[in-house]
Amino acid sequence: GQQVMQIPQYQHVQEGEDFTTYCNSSTTLSNIQWYKQRPGGHPVFLIQLVKSGEVKKQKRLTFQFGEAKKNSSLHITATQTTDVGTYFCALSGGYQKVTFGTGTKLQVIP
Amino acid sequence: DAGITQSPRHKVTETGTPVTLRCHQTENHRYMYWYRQDPGHGLRLIHYSYGVKDTDKGEVSDGYSVSRSKTEDFLLTLESATSSQTSVYFCAISDPQETQYFGPGTRLLVL
Repeated sequence: GQQVMQIPQYQHVQEGEDFTTYCNSSTTLSNIQWYKQRPGGHPVFLIQLVKSGEVKKQKRLTFQFGEAKKNSSLHITATQTTDVGTYFCALSGGYQKVTFGTGTKLQVIP
Repeated sequence: DAGITQSPRHKVTETGTPVTLRCHQTENHRYMYWYRQDPGHGLRLIHYSYGVKDTDKGEVSDGYSVSRSKTEDFLLTLESATSSQTSVYFCAISDPQETQYFGPGTRLLVL
């Protein structure tokens, strides 16, 4: 099945600094999703990207799909303590099956 | 949040005992999933269902079985629990756009 590499695995930032996590695949993707999981919580859907080169924004979060549709990134501008959690990318594998990346755990130091 | 509940929310059991986890949805979605989450491994698919009595294996299905007798319920059974099955188990449903909605999770400890 499809595999996805997500980096970094952990990231500690000072509050107010920017943060970026990357998701890379060896194969061309039909779409990519991003989820956030707060500590002790469950994953929550953030966004889905479908088009090559697509960029979407949600307040301080910017999501990008690579031109070749093999990679994606999530960038958070000026992190806040509410951004703490683990961010997962997820690939659609067809037949409604989704493969999740290993996640990037973000810690924000006040 | 989507109408997904899991029971129990926490369970401690002993090696060799059977365990059944229940997932219940009120969204009438066709697709349901069981994942396990372990440090360093993200979310790994155990089994999924694409309709009543229609199920298939995921990437880590060994030691697990599932059943779906009604649209709203998806059961995960550990026939004989082992310590390696200590984990957090999440149920999920997906909408036609393949967005996944997760339940609150079940923390299982196998001693």
